[in-house]
Amino acid sequence: EVQLVESGGGLVQPGGSLRLSCAASGFTFSRHGMHWVRQAPGKGLEYVSGISIGGTTYYANSVKGRFTISRDNSKNTLYLEMGSLRGEDMAVYYCARWNNGMDVWGQGTTVTVSS
Amino acid sequence: EIVMTQSPPTLSVSSGERAILSCRASQSVTTNLAWYQQKPGQAPRLLIYGASTRAAGIPARFSGSGSGTEFTLTISSLQSEDFAVYYCQQHNDWPLTFGGGTKVEIK
Repeated sequence: EVQLVESGGGLVQPGGSLRLSCAASGFTFSRHGMHWVRQAPGKGLEYVSGISIGGTTYYANSVKGRFTISRDNSKNTLYLEMGSLRGEDMAVYYCARWNNGMDVWGQGTTVTVSS
Repeated sequence: EIVMTQSPPTLSVSSGERAILSCRASQSVTTNLAWYQQKPGQAPRLLIYGASTRAAGIPARFSGSGSGTEFTLTISSLQSEDFAVYYCQQHNDWPLTFGGGTKVEIK
């Protein structure tokens, strides 16, 4: 079964850091671009970051310089290092596989930013 | 970045009726446009890619059209399971961007 499972979410203080992980299974992870998308409570989808097969990275302007995406193909895992967290970063974070669109999504992990 | 604008924000439709959702890009995205469906408490699901190609397992009542800056998602005959929020997304330029969504609700 093709599956993505996010982990690492939790409560963090403003200015703090958090590392999200996305474990992939059931497909050849190294052959797909991967992305992070977030959704604040009651709001729409917001693109966060992506990484290509070759390791090129892309970021939304709102997180550029604060977040870092990476991948470990030997572990079939996608990461998102988040720093200098703000209240507006509070959201459910989804990882997604790229295949002519984001065709496989995880269930999401929740990040809460609060003092 | 490319701004995606969806209209209307909410669409009230009766079961069996047709729904037409619109998505406009602030600059041309050619046909690099996808549509997603999201139900409460669930992750989004890919419906359409390449502006008009249905993703695997998507019923034929869903169809997409358009190119450049104007796009449409049509649901030909709404079923109860189609009431949800729909998002368009461009992947012509970085960063990828989503529209604000259209909520399709029961009339």
